[in-house]
Amino acid sequence: EVQLVESGGGLVQPGGSLRLSCAASGFIFSSTWMSWIRQAPGKGLEWVANIKPDGSEKYYVDSVKGRFTVSRDNAKDSLFLQLYSLRAEDTAVYYCARIVITLTYQYFYYMDVWGKGTTVTVSS
Amino acid sequence: DIQMTQSPSSLSASVGDRVTITCRASQSISNSLNWYQQKPGKAPKLLIYGASNLLSGVPSTFSGSGSGTDFTLTISSLQPEDFATYYCQTYSALWTFGQGTKVEIK
Repeated sequence: EVQLVESGGGLVQPGGSLRLSCAASGFIFSSTWMSWIRQAPGKGLEWVANIKPDGSEKYYVDSVKGRFTVSRDNAKDSLFLQLYSLRAEDTAVYYCARIVITLTYQYFYYMDVWGKGTTVTVSS
Repeated sequence: DIQMTQSPSSLSASVGDRVTITCRASQSISNSLNWYQQKPGKAPKLLIYGASNLLSGVPSTFSGSGSGTDFTLTISSLQPEDFATYYCQTYSALWTFGQGTKVEIK
């Protein structure tokens, strides 16, 4: 069964740091682009970051650039999101998701498997 | 950055109704658009990719159309399990979600 399980969330003070993890199983993680998405309480979805299978390319939403770092350990089938300089507005459920890239008559990119999420609360 | 605007933000409908949700991009994104469904307390689920391709296993009551800047998600006959929030998402350049459309029971 294809599965993603996030962990590492919690309560942290403004300015603090946190490291989120996502354990993958049931697919070839080392060949798969991965993504982090977050959702603030009562709000919509916000894409946060993508990372290439070998980790050589990383993309971020502007609001987290310079503060968050996405990384992966293919030997351990794990994805990470390091959060620094946290702000109240970073409070959210953080999801990891698998990115599928398919080629039929053109390339399509979509997130077909999501974890259940881990909650980050930034508050004093 | 590309902005995605959904309309309406919410709607009330009855079982059996035809429902249409619109997503507009701030610039042309060709057909680089996906649709997701999210129920309260749950992770989103992919419904449609590439603007009009139904993911395997998704009921055929769902369909997507559009290209360029204007896209629609249509539910041809609303079922009880379809009451949820729907998001469009582009993968043209940096990824962006629309703000969501909540479909509620009338």
